[in-house]
Amino acid sequence: QLQLQESGPGLVKPSETLSLTCTVSGDSISSSRYYWGWIRQPPGKGPEWIGSIYYSGSTAYNPSLKSRVSISVDTSENQLSLKLSSVTATDTAVYYCARLATVQVPHFDYWGQGTLVTVSS
Amino acid sequence: DIQMTQSPSSLSASVGDRVTITCRASQSISQSSRRYLNWYQQKPGKAPSLLIYAASILLSGVPSRFSGGGSGTDFTLTISSLQPEDFATYYCQQSYTSPWTFGQGTNVEIK
Repeated sequence: QLQLQESGPGLVKPSETLSLTCTVSGDSISSSRYYWGWIRQPPGKGPEWIGSIYYSGSTAYNPSLKSRVSISVDTSENQLSLKLSSVTATDTAVYYCARLATVQVPHFDYWGQGTLVTVSS
Repeated sequence: DIQMTQSPSSLSASVGDRVTITCRASQSISQSSRRYLNWYQQKPGKAPSLLIYAASILLSGVPSRFSGGGSGTDFTLTISSLQPEDFATYYCQQSYTSPWTFGQGTNVEIK
């Protein structure tokens, strides 16, 4: 059974860097069949794709966040990580990691439970 | 960016009703017979979960009362007979081009 679990600080100060980790169990993050991604959802709004990564390290980012975001993988720990710099209150959201399947068309087939990150002083 | 617009934003329905949600993309998201449209269900306090990908392919384990259709810019999600566990918010999402974008959601409530 595939499980994804996000972890990290729930409170980040404005202008600082948000750092989250997603631990994957039940599948290898090095699987050539899948990519992995981060999605966020501000309170009361729809989800927003942040970016995706392949186990090799190849990444794709949402252009609206590209200058501030970095996604990486640690295959030895079976984890992926998200860093978002210079955060403001608009970055307050539930952050999800998810597995990205590419059969037919790209789609997020498994999601973590999410972690709420609040940006506030 | 491709804008995804869902209608209605919310609806009230009864158990057993047939429900259809529409999703319109600001440009075509179909190419070479592939339709880059996915549907997710989200219950309060939970992560979204995939229902349908490529516009009409049900994820394994999803009840057959769910179906998806459409092409080009216009897509639908239909629940043939609404069940109590189906009351939730539904999102469409395009994966045709970056940035992948989601609709604003359709909240299905109990009448």
